Amino acid sequence: EAQLVESGGGLVQPGRSLRLSCVASGFTFDDYGVHWVRQAPGKGLEWVSGISWNSGSIAYADSVKGRFTISRDNGNNSLYLQMNSLRSEDMALYFCAKARGYKWPLYYDAFDMWGQGTMVTVSS
Amino acid sequence: DIQMTQSPSSLSASVGDRVTITCRASQSIDIYLSWYQQKPGKAPKLLIYSASSLQSGVPSRFSGSGSGTDFTLTISSLQPEDFATYFCHQSFSTPLTFGGGTKVEIK
Repeated sequence: EAQLVESGGGLVQPGRSLRLSCVASGFTFDDYGVHWVRQAPGKGLEWVSGISWNSGSIAYADSVKGRFTISRDNGNNSLYLQMNSLRSEDMALYFCAKARGYKWPLYYDAFDMWGQGTMVTVSS
Repeated sequence: DIQMTQSPSSLSASVGDRVTITCRASQSIDIYLSWYQQKPGKAPKLLIYSASSLQSGVPSRFSGSGSGTDFTLTISSLQPEDFATYFCHQSFSTPLTFGGGTKVEIK
């Protein structure tokens, strides 16, 4: 069964760093773009960042640009999100999501598989 | 950035009702609009992509329409398992953006 499993969330103080991971299984990971989407408690969905199948295209939301870095390791079927200078407004459930299109650009696409999320709590 | 405005933000409906949710983009996004269903404590689930294409495994009572700036998600006959929150999402350009969500509740 194809799935995505996130890990790495936890409690962190403002200004500190955290690295999220997402491990894929059951599909050919290196054929698809993958994204991070977050959801603050009781709020809607916010796209955070995405990376194309070959890492040739990367994009970020304005709210995290310069603080977060997305990367992938196709050999280990893994997606990462390095989060630096964390703020209270970064507190959310972070989902990784698989793009639907085979070797497609970051845009013109939809997310057809999601993980269950990993919670990031930013508090002193 | 492209803003996505969903309406209504919530609605109450009965089993068997026809339900329509709208999503408006702040600029044309062609057909690059998808719809997701999210139940409490769960990850979102893709229902519709490219404005009107039904994702595999999704019941045919769900349908999508529209292009440019105005889009609609329709549930032809609401079922008990359809009570959830629905989000639209544009993938025309980065940064990708979501609508604020529509919570469908039991009347």
